[in-house]
Amino acid sequence: DADVTQTPRNRITKTGKRIMLECSQTKGHDRMYWYRQDPGLGLRLIYYSFDVKDINKGEISDGYSVSRQAQAKFSLSLESAIPNQTALYFCATSDSRVWGETQYFGPGTRLLVL
Amino acid sequence: QQQVKQSPQSLIVQKGGISIINCAYENTAFDYFPWYQQFPGKGPALLIAIRPDVSEKKEGRFTISFNKSAKQFSLHIMDSQPGDSATYFCAARINDYKLSFGAGTTVTVRA
Repeated sequence: DADVTQTPRNRITKTGKRIMLECSQTKGHDRMYWYRQDPGLGLRLIYYSFDVKDINKGEISDGYSVSRQAQAKFSLSLESAIPNQTALYFCATSDSRVWGETQYFGPGTRLLVL
Repeated sequence: QQQVKQSPQSLIVQKGGISIINCAYENTAFDYFPWYQQFPGKGPALLIAIRPDVSEKKEGRFTISFNKSAKQFSLHIMDSQPGDSATYFCAARINDYKLSFGAGTTVTVRA
């Protein structure tokens, strides 16, 4: 079983719709992250959470919100989707107790906003 | 603007050849430099990483060379194999958790 899972894997939505992307992990890590990947731009951090009560904005948080429902679950919402939010979205986790703190990525959600 | 600049955008190498990907940064506060490998339809996965007090790290056919004074680091893939065909991202870490990624390099290894 995958350690970091994301649902859905693919989603098509229309401009103005609210959608939620979900992430679950079984690694027991305390930190979780949401990134978006665009061609030619690499991965950019949207939001990150150090624990259930500690949520922080990343470099491109406008138009997004998150919820850390439990240590193992971190969801990303697009309140009113727009076409330039079409991208590949990744959830990642890391363990703050481990030096180097490798980030482990989920398989991604491909989002198309029409 | 991207804090880590990566080149080339793509490269094609023959089986058995050497692939070289270069990255450069400006922020001297970066303290950890990982490389991630991503296959189509998958998330990035850590390949190899280096600390700035080390000039080279080798793991199997993959080697990171690090030049602190030039603020540059590179990934060398020796004896490239078709299974190495993937997108590679360099990254740099600051503040114990925050990764800044390069734009990525798509490597194609021809048999």
